[in-house]
Amino acid sequence: SQKIEQNSEALNIQEGKTATLTCNYTNYSPAYLQWYRQDPGRGPVFLLLIRENEKEKRKERLKVTFDTTLKQSLFHITASQPADSATYLCALNSNYQLIWGAGTKLIIKP
Amino acid sequence: DAGVTQSPTHLIKTRGQQVTLRCSPKSGHDTVSWYQQALGQGPQFIFQYYEEEERQRGNFPDRFSGHQFPNYSSELNVNALLLGDSALYLCASSLGSKNTEAFFGQGTRLTVV
Repeated sequence: SQKIEQNSEALNIQEGKTATLTCNYTNYSPAYLQWYRQDPGRGPVFLLLIRENEKEKRKERLKVTFDTTLKQSLFHITASQPADSATYLCALNSNYQLIWGAGTKLIIKP
Repeated sequence: DAGVTQSPTHLIKTRGQQVTLRCSPKSGHDTVSWYQQALGQGPQFIFQYYEEEERQRGNFPDRFSGHQFPNYSSELNVNALLLGDSALYLCASSLGSKNTEAFFGQGTRLTVV
């Protein structure tokens, strides 16, 4: 069955450093992969989408890479700030649905 | 431009009761998908509605049903509530069916007691 794995433990990063989150998937060949941010008690907010033929995508301090051979995506936040603290979810498209990882909780310490 | 709105935001129901959750999609969006999210987990796909038809359904029992209206708004109905139905229910809207850049509402927190 299709499976998506993200770092289950919270990631603690010092303010100003780069945070790197990992998303691995199996038994799947997605056309694109998406990253979302979710704050407690709120719905996910779209951040970035990367297609299978793209290696890297950037948006301001965010960068996503997509390696379809390794079946892995990396999500980077550079110059991290305490306001970046949240849970970050990756999602893959499968037919008409999004299949989600459980998310990684990111904590940026001042 | 209003984003996705869901109502109610919180709800407490008793086992065996029925519940209806509502969603208004982002302006211009024609597709609504519903997800269930348990604490500490990623969202689980319930179903997607497009042109008032259920296009795809996830692994949820028939107790979960839905509807999409001509104005693209949608309802999620859950019958015979179980304690395990307690979760955050999310509505996502998008343009077309591919769910690229889905916009989510704030969710409805359902507690079954």
